Amino acid sequence: AQSVTQLGSHVSVSEGALVLLRCNYSSSVPPYLFWYVQYPNQGLQLLLKYTSAATLVKGINGFEAEFKKSETSFHLTKPSAHMSDAAEYFCAVSRGSQGNLIFGKGTKLSVKP
Amino acid sequence: KAGVTQTPRYLIKTRGQQVTLSCSPISGHRSVSWYQQTPGQGLQFLFEYFSETQRNKGNFPGRFSGRQFSNSRSEMNVSTLELGDSALYLCASRLTSGSLSGANVLTFGAGSRLTVL
Repeated sequence: AQSVTQLGSHVSVSEGALVLLRCNYSSSVPPYLFWYVQYPNQGLQLLLKYTSAATLVKGINGFEAEFKKSETSFHLTKPSAHMSDAAEYFCAVSRGSQGNLIFGKGTKLSVKP
Repeated sequence: KAGVTQTPRYLIKTRGQQVTLSCSPISGHRSVSWYQQTPGQGLQFLFEYFSETQRNKGNFPGRFSGRQFSNSRSEMNVSTLELGDSALYLCASRLTSGSLSGANVLTFGAGSRLTVL
């Protein structure tokens, strides 16, 4: 069975500081991994995805994530936080060939001025 | 290119009623999936439709159903509403069914927020 654990339901950083959102996955097969962002009263927007190519994945808005098989992790980072990054972030794993996503519980990111 | 369009955006129902939500996928996308988002359970997969056929189903009771039309538009229906059905219902479309590889990624709509009183 596949599952996703996001460590920390709330993360607060200062503007300009490093953003690190943690995600660990459990999968019996090589996973496809995704990070989505959700702004208030909106749907989910894809930030980046890992589908067994390069282990360091670059996404939109300056975010990137590194797939580490030995640690079963796919943490999301951004070198310098911006006020507009305040949102909820979801890590997800796909269920093999079926294509539906299993989501983590989400991490709400706050950015202080 | 228009995104995924969901209607209505907000609606209020009472217990025991039924509700129908609509989703128009991105042009050219033939697969439509539905997810439920609640504060307690988070994001959970409901079902996926492709070529007017349900291809995959999550762990929800039979009160939750869906269908897809020949133009790929999809509807989901919830009958005999319960308080716990209050949620944001998200529709997502992609090119085809199968694995989420390459360009076949899910694009989500803004959701339909259902409140059951």
